[in-house]
Amino acid sequence: DAGITQSPRHKVTETGTPVTLRCHQTENHRYMYWYRQDPGHGLRLIHYSYGVKDTDKGEVSDGYSVSRSKTEDFLLTLESATSSQTSVYFCATHSMGNTEAFFGQGTRLTVV
Amino acid sequence: EDQVTQSPEALRLQEGESSSLNCSYTVSGLRGLFWYRQDPGKGPEFLFTLYSAGEEKEKERLKATLTKKESFLHITAPKPEDSATYLCAVQGALSGTYKYIFGTGTRLKVLA
Repeated sequence: DAGITQSPRHKVTETGTPVTLRCHQTENHRYMYWYRQDPGHGLRLIHYSYGVKDTDKGEVSDGYSVSRSKTEDFLLTLESATSSQTSVYFCATHSMGNTEAFFGQGTRLTVV
Repeated sequence: EDQVTQSPEALRLQEGESSSLNCSYTVSGLRGLFWYRQDPGKGPEFLFTLYSAGEEKEKERLKATLTKKESFLHITAPKPEDSATYLCAVQGALSGTYKYIFGTGTRLKVLA
């Protein structure tokens, strides 16, 4: 299994506060992804990265930003958290094009 | 637009009762179709990758097959430990990226 660590694993925050989630990988994988998982919607792509400083938007990117300054770290930031961003967030990585992705254990975020 | 639909949403089986899960997809040029297993509170765990129609892969009691429009995950003589949510995902070639599009999953419960 790819060494993917998400932090924190659980977080409760107040509406309007900034929040940063971290994904750290030890496999030197080029591609990294942030998904959110909600009942009835499955996994939806927020942002992805195809290299250091190379990122792009997914289908549900509004209200989120990302940064990747090192191969091993991919940060997801909620600039001003809203209740609609309460969700479970997963980071995933993979090495080459059409190969399988490996997932972290998830971060459960609650915005109150 | 690339799309994945999984059915049924939920399935209850008796131990030993074989069945199949369906993943129907619409994609512009299939790079790959992926099956994952997800246990409660954990990240998805990779099971199989299928690349072209007619391809089949097996792992213990699981067998995945692929046609041009759908994939099946056959579960033979399931055991309670096979209980999980099974996710299907596709990568489309014409999107120009390696994004994965996920279905909403099938929740499988195997009763002893």
